[in-house]
Amino acid sequence: GESVGLHLPTLSVQEGDNSIINCAYSNSASDYFIWYKQESGKGPQFIIDIRSNMDKRQGQRVTVLLNKTVKHLSLQIAATQPGDSAVYFCAEIIRAAGNKLTFGGGTRVLVKP
Amino acid sequence: NAGVTQTPKFQVLKTGQSMTLQCAQDMNHNSMYWYRQDPGMGLRLIYYSASEGTTDKGEVPNGYNVSRLNKREFSLRLESAAPSQTSVYFCASRVTGTDTQYFGPGTRLTVL
Repeated sequence: GESVGLHLPTLSVQEGDNSIINCAYSNSASDYFIWYKQESGKGPQFIIDIRSNMDKRQGQRVTVLLNKTVKHLSLQIAATQPGDSAVYFCAEIIRAAGNKLTFGGGTRVLVKP
Repeated sequence: NAGVTQTPKFQVLKTGQSMTLQCAQDMNHNSMYWYRQDPGMGLRLIYYSASEGTTDKGEVPNGYNVSRLNKREFSLRLESAAPSQTSVYFCASRVTGTDTQYFGPGTRLTVL
């Protein structure tokens, strides 16, 4: 079965506020994590990634935090905009399992004007 | 670059019919993947191809076959469609030497 995520909760955010999306994973052997954004009717779009030997990585308006102690991953979006409304998936790769990407169930973000 | 393209965008089949979903990428990637996405769930890997001439099963391969026709193209075939195969199908390719996968726009398949 899936070791990442499982539920599809919804996060409502006021435009301009910061968003935090959480993801739990169960396999401590995971080497690499990716956050994807999926807009309605489109394929997943790469946002940011982080390797298991890192705790934090920043991109443009996004930050990913990795806490290996509690097997938790988060995506922070600064100054959330209407265009950020989408479903966000975390995914993990375990290189020992053939580099396959395993997705969680996703979180829907709704940005209120 | 067009990236990853998929055809068709939509398809309706009757139970027992067969069809092939097409995928192509113009980024010279070695690895390609087929996923299915069901409502409220993440993507599940059906089959993948690490390089031209090789294919391997993913998490949910039953009822599907694949062909890596050449480096650009990776097709997914349903020999006898079942209602349980109603889903959105995504093709992806991976940047050589990295872990990042890039996805196509998807094919929405309904099996009646």
